[in-house]
Amino acid sequence: GAGVSQSPSNKVTEKGKDVELRCDPISGHTALYWYRQSLGQGLEFLIYFQGNSAPDKSGLPSDRFSAERTGGSVSTLTIQRTQQEDSAVYLCASSLDPGTTSGRTGELFFGEGSRLTVL
Amino acid sequence: AQKVTQAQTEISVVEKEDVTLDCVYETRDTTYYLFWYKQPPSGELVFLIRRNSFDEQNEISGRYSWNFQKSTSSFNFTITASQVVDSAVYFCALRGIQGAQKLVFGQGTRLTINP
Repeated sequence: GAGVSQSPSNKVTEKGKDVELRCDPISGHTALYWYRQSLGQGLEFLIYFQGNSAPDKSGLPSDRFSAERTGGSVSTLTIQRTQQEDSAVYLCASSLDPGTTSGRTGELFFGEGSRLTVL
Repeated sequence: AQKVTQAQTEISVVEKEDVTLDCVYETRDTTYYLFWYKQPPSGELVFLIRRNSFDEQNEISGRYSWNFQKSTSSFNFTITASQVVDSAVYFCALRGIQGAQKLVFGQGTRLTINP
């Protein structure tokens, strides 16, 4: 597609349930990122994919969080046993390979985010 | 470690006023890239500008201008003759060579332009 697509745009769930958030990056972008934005806060890095591998998952807050990417394209962020503090907007971004000059100097393209509310 | 600080949490001005958003960064990399993004109420971050550490020339794009000063590790953003449509949250971000995989963002500045 033309831009980064995320679904669902809104998700309300009960505490303890599992949720899956999906990201469809821009075609041809090998790098994919997940960020979290809590109410009134900045963007918190979660994980970075290059192709299907995740060389940097340092931002995942706990083992309840996991992510995968298949076919070098779509990525899914899974949160197990959700807690109220997981409520946030989860943003996905893609870019060219940051290992290249064009990728390193290029910007990240963001989706509109998935707003997660845990009751 | 890399860090971006936007000390101004919220700014509110009247339309047509000039406003400057501050950004201070920390990095040990000698080569790095600085970015500004705009997040309107719709939520999607919109790229505004990129600067590399070798180029300290200021840049102007219409009503927007950016002042990069390596000596003070600052990359400030000025909107001239502000308009209501400029109301948004603005983020400054840094990407270094060492941590080239990701952008490190500041906390953002919420700018409100009142008519």
